[in-house]
Amino acid sequence: SQQGEEDPQALSIQEGENATMNCSYKTSINNLQWYRQNSGRGLVHLILIRSNEREKHSGRLRVTLDTSKKSSSLLITASRAADTASYFCATVHINFNKFYFGSGTKLNVKP
Amino acid sequence: KAGVTQTPRYLIKTRGQQVTLSCSPISGHRSVSWYQQTPGQGLQFLFEYFSETQRNKGNFPGRFSGRQFSNSRSEMNVSTLELGDSALYLCASSLGQNTGELFFGEGSRLTVL
Repeated sequence: SQQGEEDPQALSIQEGENATMNCSYKTSINNLQWYRQNSGRGLVHLILIRSNEREKHSGRLRVTLDTSKKSSSLLITASRAADTASYFCATVHINFNKFYFGSGTKLNVKP
Repeated sequence: KAGVTQTPRYLIKTRGQQVTLSCSPISGHRSVSWYQQTPGQGLQFLFEYFSETQRNKGNFPGRFSGRQFSNSRSEMNVSTLELGDSALYLCASSLGQNTGELFFGEGSRLTVL
């Protein structure tokens, strides 16, 4: 499959802790994006990192990209109960401009 | 600016019927893509339209089809429904450069009985 694979599939933490989720992919990419989905709702774009970037920050989010290992990680610092959601990585193929979504990490932040 | 609007939000059909789902993109967005989301398969790409032309297509049978109108609104149709077509169908719009951010609608939840 060309899709990204997130790890872990599920993560449960206490409020205030950091949450780290990982994404691995197989093809050469133009960029990698992270999305968030609240239960049964649409996806919301969080952050985009280009293939020539190694790290990017946005508020409490920190994304890293290692193209040699074909992997990315999303770190949410000081998590809140409102961060409870599923998180998906999406890789944009370098040639075909297609988006491939992973299976997602289900994050539960306990108050 | 209004977001991506999908209608209907929920619908129930029986096997063998057909269904049409509608998506109105964000004003100014020319690309509309469709995804099927199921618990077992995750998010699967169906197709993408740009300026009324299908630009990309996923690996779905011919029962799944779509089109885009001159105002960028898009519809997708599933004919001869099967139980396995039960899913959340998500529409996403973008400016069309094909590598930037996708803006998703809330989805249409289809249940096939």
